[in-house]
Amino acid sequence: NAGVTQTPKFQVLKTGQSMTLQCAQDMNHEYMSWYRQDPGMGLRLIHYSVGAGITDQGEVPNGYNVSRSTTEDFPLRLLSAAPSQTSVYFCASKRGEGEQYFGPGTRLTVT
Amino acid sequence: GESVGLHLPTLSVQEGDNSIINCAYSNSASDYFIWYKQESGKGPQFIIDIRSNMDKRQGQRVTVLLNKTVKHLSLQIAATQPGDSAVYFCAERRNSGNTPLVFGKGTRLSVIA
Repeated sequence: NAGVTQTPKFQVLKTGQSMTLQCAQDMNHEYMSWYRQDPGMGLRLIHYSVGAGITDQGEVPNGYNVSRSTTEDFPLRLLSAAPSQTSVYFCASKRGEGEQYFGPGTRLTVT
Repeated sequence: GESVGLHLPTLSVQEGDNSIINCAYSNSASDYFIWYKQESGKGPQFIIDIRSNMDKRQGQRVTVLLNKTVKHLSLQIAATQPGDSAVYFCAERRNSGNTPLVFGKGTRLSVIA
């Protein structure tokens, strides 16, 4: 298994640009989530999904959209990037009450 | 360079000594707790978990202690090694079932060789 994969690894955007951060898992996990990590702030939940076709907001959802059309994929969309969205983004997945696995992260800079 | 982890509490430990990393949680209804380790430039990795019906759980070189009375969680690492240097996060699940984990801000462990 590849586990949780994320692309791209690094990205630089200009303010106002849009982009999609990709996340995929091959463990047949029904639960997937997106976090952002900023210095001194720990990991903050953006959006999560408990299964295909179901998404919900986390702690900091503003400025981000998600969809879950398949079990494997959970893309995170930034419709109009802002400098405040400069961060490291982590996708994670788990099955039921089991261990949550994290991807390697995407480092995003918005100028 | 690594920007994650700036302004975090830091614990410096001599190689071979035991480390204790502490975490306070806020929700008395939380029923599941996890410790993660995050090395520079990588995603968090699972270390050990504990459910609220337990007060202690041991793994390889690690022990997690849970004190529900004071809502306190600790991670003990025995015979700390340079490879243990990382940022450590505790996380809690605030309701039963398939609900999101809530993470603490993290502690940086620095092992002095």
